Amino acid sequence: EAGVAQSPRYKIIEKRQSVAFWCNPISGHATLYWYQQILGQGPKLLIQFQNNGVVDDSQLPKDRFSAERLKGVDSTLKIQPAKLEDSAVYLCASSWAGGGGTDTQYFGPGTRLTVL
Amino acid sequence: DQQVKQNSPSLSVQEGRISILNCDYTNSMFDYFLWYKKYPAEGPTFLISISSIKDKNEDGRFTVFLNKSAKHLSLHIVPSQPGDSAVYFCAASAGGYSTLTFGKGTMLLVSP
Repeated sequence: EAGVAQSPRYKIIEKRQSVAFWCNPISGHATLYWYQQILGQGPKLLIQFQNNGVVDDSQLPKDRFSAERLKGVDSTLKIQPAKLEDSAVYLCASSWAGGGGTDTQYFGPGTRLTVL
Repeated sequence: DQQVKQNSPSLSVQEGRISILNCDYTNSMFDYFLWYKKYPAEGPTFLISISSIKDKNEDGRFTVFLNKSAKHLSLHIVPSQPGDSAVYFCAASAGGYSTLTFGKGTMLLVSP
């Protein structure tokens, strides 16, 4: 079974530029998550989708971050414009059902973003 | 306000010995706890979990203990192997469809 795919793996941009990350979840997984992991911290949830609807985006900085999950499968996370503090690893995860702790999340390898 | 705390940034253990990783939480609504393991340049992978109705869950060399009154859980790895060297994240959820809250992680180094 193929895992969660993410691209690109690495991205370096200058502040105020825009960037987009792509995620393809495990086939059949209804729930998709985007996390931000800053160096030395644990992953922090940015947004959770159930199929193509948003379940939780309370920690997404909506003035600069946006995300969509077209047709309930692939997802894109965008940052526009980027700030220095956005330098982090962006992790995508997926799970079978309705999310929550008992629904095991499978993580992709992440995209390491460096903002100069 | 950190609701899940892993106060030891790192831990070094010799191969064959026991590794004990600790985690404390402050939110009394948390009722499901998980441990994830992360190798460099990879995403976290699920290791083991425990519900608040239990105080112990075992899976091979890995055992998680939960002390609800102390709001504390620990992961025991026996015997430790060099391949266990990784960052271990403790995570918690408040049940149902609530999201996971992660700790900062503990880097475990198992030396031969």
